[in-house]
Amino acid sequence: QQPVQSPQAVILREGEDAVINCSSSKALYSVHWYRQKHGEAPVFLMILLKGGEQKGHEKISASFNEKKQQSSLYLTASQLSYSGTYFCGTEDVKGSNYKLTFGKGTLLTVNP
Amino acid sequence: DTGVSQDPRHKITKRGQNVTFRCDPISEHNRLYWYRQTLGQGPEFLTYFQNEAQLEKSRLLSDRFSAERPKGSFSTLEIQRTEQGDSAMYLCATRRRLGTVFTEAFFGQGTRLTVV
Repeated sequence: QQPVQSPQAVILREGEDAVINCSSSKALYSVHWYRQKHGEAPVFLMILLKGGEQKGHEKISASFNEKKQQSSLYLTASQLSYSGTYFCGTEDVKGSNYKLTFGKGTLLTVNP
Repeated sequence: DTGVSQDPRHKITKRGQNVTFRCDPISEHNRLYWYRQTLGQGPEFLTYFQNEAQLEKSRLLSDRFSAERPKGSFSTLEIQRTEQGDSAMYLCATRRRLGTVFTEAFFGQGTRLTVV
């Protein structure tokens, strides 16, 4: 079962912040975040493996609440280059096959 | 080029024809996934392999879809008797095992299929 993302779309002005959420009905082993620009392949942003873990890369960070089976991606002081569709991918705990399933995505548009 | 390679990049076919796509993984990436993506949607899981073993095939897939990964290297995805609803981008992604975990997924550029 695929994770659920919200919101479906976000429009920002350069410099504004955004939060994208990802939730699952299954116990999760990991959460992945990817960004895809129009006509290109998805590009990896980060993986979160542990409950309550938070990772960051410059102005993009993420948290993973293992107990709630939720993850959030935080984009601060957004730049034009942040525009694209963001996908979360999840691996559930069942078995050890590491099947990676993606949400439907959140379209982020950053305007000048 | 050390990335995931997919061939062809574009394929236009007539309804009812068979098509085959190829994915060449990054060297030493033993996990390989196939996804289908339509406009405005996320990658939809189709199937995946650990080396040459196919671990799971999506229940949403009809019997017209089949995938192989002989010798655990490249993989092929075949669609028989194509239908207009098969028109989509077909993405391949690969991962490497590090001990008990897998790395992030690296995606190929995809094969865009148009069924006319």
